[in-house]
Amino acid sequence: GEEVAQTPKHLVRGEGQKAKLYCAPIKGHSYVFWYQQVLKNEFKFLISFQNENVFDETGMPKERFSAKCLPNSPCSLEIQATKLEDSAVYFCASSQSGTGPATNEKLFFGSGTQLSVL
Amino acid sequence: AQTVTQSQPEMSVQEAETVTLSCTYDTSENNYYLFWYKQPPSRQMILVIRQEAYKQQNATENRFSVNFQKAAKSFSLKISDSQLGDTAMYFCAFTTSGTYKYIFGTGTRLKVLA
Repeated sequence: GEEVAQTPKHLVRGEGQKAKLYCAPIKGHSYVFWYQQVLKNEFKFLISFQNENVFDETGMPKERFSAKCLPNSPCSLEIQATKLEDSAVYFCASSQSGTGPATNEKLFFGSGTQLSVL
Repeated sequence: AQTVTQSQPEMSVQEAETVTLSCTYDTSENNYYLFWYKQPPSRQMILVIRQEAYKQQNATENRFSVNFQKAAKSFSLKISDSQLGDTAMYFCAFTTSGTYKYIFGTGTRLKVLA
Protein backbone atom coordinates (compact mmCIF):
# COMPACT_ATOMS: atom_id res chain seq x y z
CA GLY A 1 0.00 0.00 0.00
CA GLU A 2 0.96 3.64 -0.28
CA GLU A 3 0.51 4.46 3.37
CA VAL A 4 1.60 3.03 6.67
CA ALA A 5 -1.45 1.33 8.13
CA GLN A 6 -1.76 1.03 11.88
CA THR A 7 -4.47 -0.86 13.68
CA PRO A 8 -6.35 -0.40 15.84
CA LYS A 9 -6.71 3.39 16.06
CA HIS A 10 -7.70 3.19 19.70
CA LEU A 11 -7.11 0.47 22.26
CA VAL A 12 -8.28 0.42 25.87
CA ARG A 13 -6.82 -2.03 28.34
CA GLY A 14 -7.10 -2.58 32.04
CA GLU A 15 -3.86 -2.48 33.96
CA GLY A 16 -2.17 -5.85 33.71
CA GLN A 17 -3.81 -6.82 30.43
CA LYS A 18 -1.97 -7.49 27.21
CA ALA A 19 -2.01 -5.03 24.30
CA LYS A 20 -1.03 -5.81 20.72
CA LEU A 21 -0.61 -3.17 18.05
CA TYR A 22 -0.15 -3.75 14.34
CA CYS A 23 1.61 -1.92 11.55
CA ALA A 24 1.71 -2.60 7.83
CA PRO A 25 4.57 -0.58 6.31
CA ILE A 26 4.46 0.83 2.83
CA LYS A 27 5.10 -1.86 0.25
CA GLY A 28 8.74 -1.92 -0.71
CA HIS A 29 9.94 -0.23 2.46
CA SER A 30 12.60 -2.24 4.22
CA TYR A 31 12.78 -0.33 7.49
CA VAL A 32 10.20 -0.09 10.22
CA PHE A 33 10.36 2.05 13.33
CA TRP A 34 8.20 2.18 16.43
CA TYR A 35 7.88 5.34 18.51
CA GLN A 36 5.95 6.11 21.67
CA GLN A 37 4.47 9.60 22.00
CA VAL A 38 3.41 10.57 25.49
CA LEU A 39 1.12 13.53 26.14
CA LYS A 40 1.34 14.67 22.50
CA ASN A 41 4.90 15.72 23.01
CA GLU A 42 8.05 13.73 23.17
CA PHE A 43 8.64 10.92 20.71
CA LYS A 44 10.51 8.10 22.34
CA PHE A 45 12.26 5.68 20.01
CA LEU A 46 11.45 2.07 20.81
CA ILE A 47 12.79 -0.23 18.13
CA SER A 48 13.74 -0.45 14.46
CA PHE A 49 13.72 -3.29 11.97
CA GLN A 50 15.44 -3.94 8.70
CA ASN A 51 13.02 -6.35 7.07
CA GLU A 52 12.41 -9.00 9.75
CA ASN A 53 15.63 -8.33 11.62
CA VAL A 54 15.82 -6.14 14.68
CA PHE A 55 18.31 -3.37 14.03
CA ASP A 56 18.12 -1.27 17.15
CA GLU A 57 16.08 -2.10 20.23
CA THR A 58 17.75 0.21 22.69
CA GLY A 59 14.48 2.00 23.46
CA MET A 60 12.47 -1.07 24.34
CA PRO A 61 11.49 -1.79 27.94
CA LYS A 62 12.45 -5.41 27.50
CA GLU A 63 10.59 -6.83 30.46
CA ARG A 64 7.17 -6.24 28.98
CA PHE A 65 7.58 -4.99 25.41
CA SER A 66 8.27 -7.13 22.39
CA ALA A 67 8.04 -6.54 18.65
CA LYS A 68 8.20 -8.56 15.45
CA CYS A 69 8.25 -7.99 11.73
CA LEU A 70 7.66 -11.33 10.01
CA PRO A 71 7.53 -11.87 6.24
CA ASN A 72 4.09 -11.45 4.68
CA SER A 73 2.57 -10.27 7.96
CA PRO A 74 2.00 -6.88 9.58
CA CYS A 75 4.62 -5.87 12.10
CA SER A 76 3.47 -6.00 15.70
CA LEU A 77 4.26 -4.39 19.01
CA GLU A 78 3.08 -6.27 22.07
CA ILE A 79 2.94 -5.10 25.64
CA GLN A 80 2.48 -7.73 28.28
CA ALA A 81 0.93 -6.68 31.59
CA THR A 82 0.26 -3.07 30.66
CA LYS A 83 0.87 -0.30 33.17
CA LEU A 84 -0.74 3.10 33.49
CA GLU A 85 2.47 4.72 32.23
CA ASP A 86 2.17 2.82 28.94
CA SER A 87 -0.74 5.09 27.98
CA ALA A 88 0.47 6.89 24.87
CA VAL A 89 0.12 7.06 21.14
CA TYR A 90 2.30 4.47 19.44
CA PHE A 91 3.50 5.41 15.99
CA CYS A 92 4.88 3.13 13.38
CA ALA A 93 6.95 4.56 10.56
CA SER A 94 8.63 3.05 7.56
CA SER A 95 11.27 4.14 5.14
CA GLN A 96 12.72 2.81 1.95
CA SER A 97 16.30 2.84 3.03
CA GLY A 98 16.62 3.60 6.72
CA THR A 99 19.15 6.34 6.61
CA GLY A 100 21.67 6.79 3.87
CA PRO A 101 23.38 9.63 2.09
CA ALA A 102 22.18 8.95 -1.42
CA THR A 103 18.72 7.59 -0.90
CA ASN A 104 15.44 8.64 0.51
CA GLU A 105 15.70 8.94 4.27
CA LYS A 106 12.17 10.21 4.64
CA LEU A 107 10.09 8.55 7.31
CA PHE A 108 6.48 7.82 6.47
CA PHE A 109 4.34 7.69 9.58
CA GLY A 110 1.16 5.85 10.29
CA SER A 111 -1.64 7.66 12.09
CA GLY A 112 -0.83 5.97 15.36
CA THR A 113 -2.59 3.75 17.87
CA GLN A 114 -3.80 5.48 21.00
CA LEU A 115 -3.39 3.10 23.92
CA SER A 116 -5.26 3.93 27.10
CA VAL A 117 -4.48 1.86 30.16
CA LEU A 118 -7.08 2.23 32.88
CA ALA B 1 24.58 11.65 23.57
CA GLN B 2 22.71 13.11 20.66
CA THR B 3 19.93 15.49 21.61
CA VAL B 4 17.45 17.80 19.94
CA THR B 5 16.14 20.84 21.79
CA GLN B 6 13.13 22.95 20.94
CA SER B 7 13.02 25.80 23.43
CA GLN B 8 9.65 27.25 22.42
CA PRO B 9 6.79 25.11 23.74
CA GLU B 10 4.14 27.37 22.18
CA MET B 11 4.02 30.14 19.63
CA SER B 12 1.36 32.08 17.84
CA VAL B 13 1.37 34.15 14.66
CA GLN B 14 -1.14 36.21 12.76
CA GLU B 15 -2.37 34.85 9.48
CA ALA B 16 -0.16 35.97 6.56
CA GLU B 17 2.72 36.85 8.89
CA THR B 18 6.08 35.08 9.20
CA VAL B 19 7.15 32.97 12.14
CA THR B 20 10.41 31.21 13.02
CA LEU B 21 10.61 28.07 15.12
CA SER B 22 13.91 27.27 16.81
CA CYS B 23 15.76 23.99 17.05
CA THR B 24 19.22 23.17 18.30
CA TYR B 25 20.91 19.81 18.36
CA ASP B 26 24.00 18.23 19.73
CA THR B 27 26.12 15.63 17.98
CA SER B 28 29.72 14.76 17.33
CA GLU B 29 28.86 13.27 13.95
CA ASN B 30 29.65 15.06 10.72
CA ASN B 31 27.21 13.29 8.41
CA TYR B 32 23.63 13.70 9.53
CA TYR B 33 20.17 14.79 8.47
CA LEU B 34 17.70 17.22 9.96
CA PHE B 35 13.96 17.32 9.53
CA TRP B 36 10.92 19.31 10.49
CA TYR B 37 7.72 17.35 10.91
CA LYS B 38 4.25 18.79 11.36
CA GLN B 39 1.63 17.07 13.49
CA PRO B 40 -1.85 18.60 13.10
CA PRO B 41 -4.71 17.65 15.42
CA SER B 42 -5.38 14.67 13.18
CA ARG B 43 -2.20 13.17 14.68
CA GLN B 44 -0.70 12.37 11.29
CA MET B 45 3.00 13.21 11.09
CA ILE B 46 3.83 15.10 7.91
CA LEU B 47 7.32 15.85 6.67
CA VAL B 48 7.69 19.59 6.12
CA ILE B 49 11.31 19.93 5.09
CA ARG B 50 14.63 18.11 5.19
CA GLN B 51 18.25 19.24 5.27
CA GLU B 52 21.40 17.23 4.68
CA ALA B 53 24.26 18.42 6.87
CA TYR B 54 26.76 18.24 4.03
CA LYS B 55 24.76 20.76 2.02
CA GLN B 56 25.52 24.38 2.80
CA GLN B 57 22.48 25.69 0.97
CA ASN B 58 19.40 26.07 3.13
CA ALA B 59 16.47 23.89 2.13
CA THR B 60 13.26 25.53 0.91
CA GLU B 61 9.81 24.08 0.25
CA ASN B 62 7.31 26.69 -0.91
CA ARG B 63 6.48 28.80 2.18
CA PHE B 64 8.81 26.81 4.41
CA SER B 65 12.53 27.40 4.66
CA VAL B 66 15.26 26.61 7.11
CA ASN B 67 18.21 28.49 8.52
CA PHE B 68 20.83 25.81 8.98
CA GLN B 69 23.85 26.94 10.97
CA LYS B 70 26.10 23.91 11.23
CA ALA B 71 28.76 25.45 13.44
CA ALA B 72 26.12 26.63 15.89
CA LYS B 73 24.18 23.35 15.55
CA SER B 74 21.03 25.30 14.88
CA PHE B 75 18.20 24.41 12.50
CA SER B 76 15.33 26.87 12.59
CA LEU B 77 12.17 26.71 10.50
CA LYS B 78 10.69 29.81 8.93
CA ILE B 79 7.08 29.78 7.82
CA SER B 80 6.16 32.65 5.52
CA ASP B 81 2.63 33.84 4.77
CA SER B 82 1.25 31.73 7.63
CA GLN B 83 -2.05 30.02 6.97
CA LEU B 84 -4.68 28.71 9.37
CA GLY B 85 -3.84 25.20 8.20
CA ASP B 86 -0.33 25.62 9.56
CA THR B 87 -1.72 25.33 13.09
CA ALA B 88 -0.06 22.20 14.47
CA MET B 89 2.72 20.80 16.58
CA TYR B 90 6.08 21.06 14.88
CA PHE B 91 8.84 18.62 15.67
CA CYS B 92 12.48 18.98 14.81
CA ALA B 93 14.23 15.66 14.22
CA PHE B 94 17.75 14.43 13.64
CA THR B 95 19.32 11.25 12.39
CA THR B 96 22.76 10.07 11.40
CA SER B 97 23.58 7.81 8.53
CA GLY B 98 23.33 4.16 9.43
CA THR B 99 21.82 4.52 12.89
CA TYR B 100 18.23 3.87 11.86
CA LYS B 101 17.15 6.00 14.81
CA TYR B 102 15.53 9.40 14.53
CA ILE B 103 15.73 11.69 17.56
CA PHE B 104 12.91 14.17 18.03
CA GLY B 105 12.64 17.39 19.97
CA THR B 106 9.75 17.97 22.36
CA GLY B 107 7.84 20.04 19.83
CA THR B 108 6.54 23.57 19.41
CA ARG B 109 2.80 24.13 19.33
CA LEU B 110 2.07 26.76 16.69
CA LYS B 111 -1.23 28.53 16.49
CA VAL B 112 -2.07 30.69 13.50
CA LEU B 113 -4.58 33.39 14.40
CA ALA B 114 -7.19 34.71 12.01
